[in-house]
Amino acid sequence: GAGVSQSPSNKVTEKGKDVELRCDPISGHTALYWYRQSLGQGLEFLIYFQGNSAPDKSGLPSDRFSAERTGGSVSTLTIQRTQQEDSAVYLCASSPGTSGTDTQYFGPGTRLTVL
Amino acid sequence: GEDVEQSLFLSVREGDSSVINCTYTDSSSTYLYWYKQEPGAGLQLLTYIFSNMDMKQDQRLTVLLNKKDKHLSLRIADTQTGDSAIYFCAAKGWRDTGFQKLVFGTGTRLLVSP
Repeated sequence: GAGVSQSPSNKVTEKGKDVELRCDPISGHTALYWYRQSLGQGLEFLIYFQGNSAPDKSGLPSDRFSAERTGGSVSTLTIQRTQQEDSAVYLCASSPGTSGTDTQYFGPGTRLTVL
Repeated sequence: GEDVEQSLFLSVREGDSSVINCTYTDSSSTYLYWYKQEPGAGLQLLTYIFSNMDMKQDQRLTVLLNKKDKHLSLRIADTQTGDSAIYFCAAKGWRDTGFQKLVFGTGTRLLVSP
């Protein structure tokens, strides 16, 4: 596609349920990032994928969060046993690579609400 | 680690200039970015500046970098109502692993009134 797409755009779930958020990066982009944007806060880095390398998971807030990237393209962020504090907008970005000038292009985000 | 700070809110009148300020803590940050986020949309890259530059101009946008004070600003000339959005400052350093994490500020909400 022309840009990064994410689905669903909105997700409302009950506390304790699992959710899956999907990201389709720009075709050909080797790097993919997940961020979380909580109300009144900046973007918090969660996880990064680059090609076939092991992902950088240093930003994941707990072991309830995991992500995978299949075939070097689509990525899924999974949150298990959701908590109310998980409510946020989850943003995905992709970039051609990771050199200094490689710009990250962002998707529109998935707004997650945990009741 | 890196910390990026911005003021939360700025209100200007249409036609005025807007100046959004940002400070960062990691002097090794090599690239500094300005992103714009409109309601319900993702982040759109506006411009970026490399750390060996003092200024970058792109149409109505002027970025000033004071590396000594670790201060970055974004000036929007002739601000329009369509410029109303949240503006994020972000810094990117260098790691020997090659992965460079973007660290974002909390965003400045710009409100432009007619």
